[in-house]
Amino acid sequence: DVKVTQSSRYLVKRTGEKVFLECVQDMDHENMFWYRQDPGLGLRLIYFSYDVKMKEKGDIPEGYSVSREKKERFSLILESASTNQTSMYLCASTEGGYGYTFGSGTRLTVV
Amino acid sequence: DQQVKQNSPSLSVQEGRISILNCDYTNSMFDYFLWYKKYPAEGPTFLISISSIKDKNEDGRFTVFLNKSAKHLSLHIVPSQPGDSAVYFCAASAGGGGFKTIFGAGTRLFVKA
Repeated sequence: DVKVTQSSRYLVKRTGEKVFLECVQDMDHENMFWYRQDPGLGLRLIYFSYDVKMKEKGDIPEGYSVSREKKERFSLILESASTNQTSMYLCASTEGGYGYTFGSGTRLTVV
Repeated sequence: DQQVKQNSPSLSVQEGRISILNCDYTNSMFDYFLWYKKYPAEGPTFLISISSIKDKNEDGRFTVFLNKSAKHLSLHIVPSQPGDSAVYFCAASAGGGGFKTIFGAGTRLFVKA
């Protein structure tokens, strides 16, 4: 089974800090995604990548950037963390079809 | 403006009965629809999908129905089991590749033993 691993389950960061969320998948998938999950809003797409060094903005990219230097790794960067970025962050990958494989999520709290 | 809406935040069902989770969408360009299931402290897992050229897809206890004219889909679980208790997300996608899949807000299903 494909596995998507997010490096941290819980993170607490201070306002203004630069935050890195790491995601690694082990099945050579081309496409990787970062979503955030908030109550009542579902999952909202932040960024996605369809190839190494390629990235596309999702629906809510403001305040975030991404990096994909290797095919298996997709990093989400919060340039200057703010309290409204407190959320559950979910990484996903797919071979090209519609069914995503998600990681377990990183619950980020910005204080 | 939510393009995919799950209007019921929660649903409670007795074990053995049918669970019906509903989803409405607004974008007529959506051509592929999915349901994901999420347990606490885990990521969502893909459950079942349907293409817009079909109106029904069945997989074991799970059946998804699509009514394109009403822009409505539903997930039926029968019989419901306590292990089905989870949050269910409806999702929709337009065009190839599944990029920019839009998710609903989720419905929390409680199946009582």
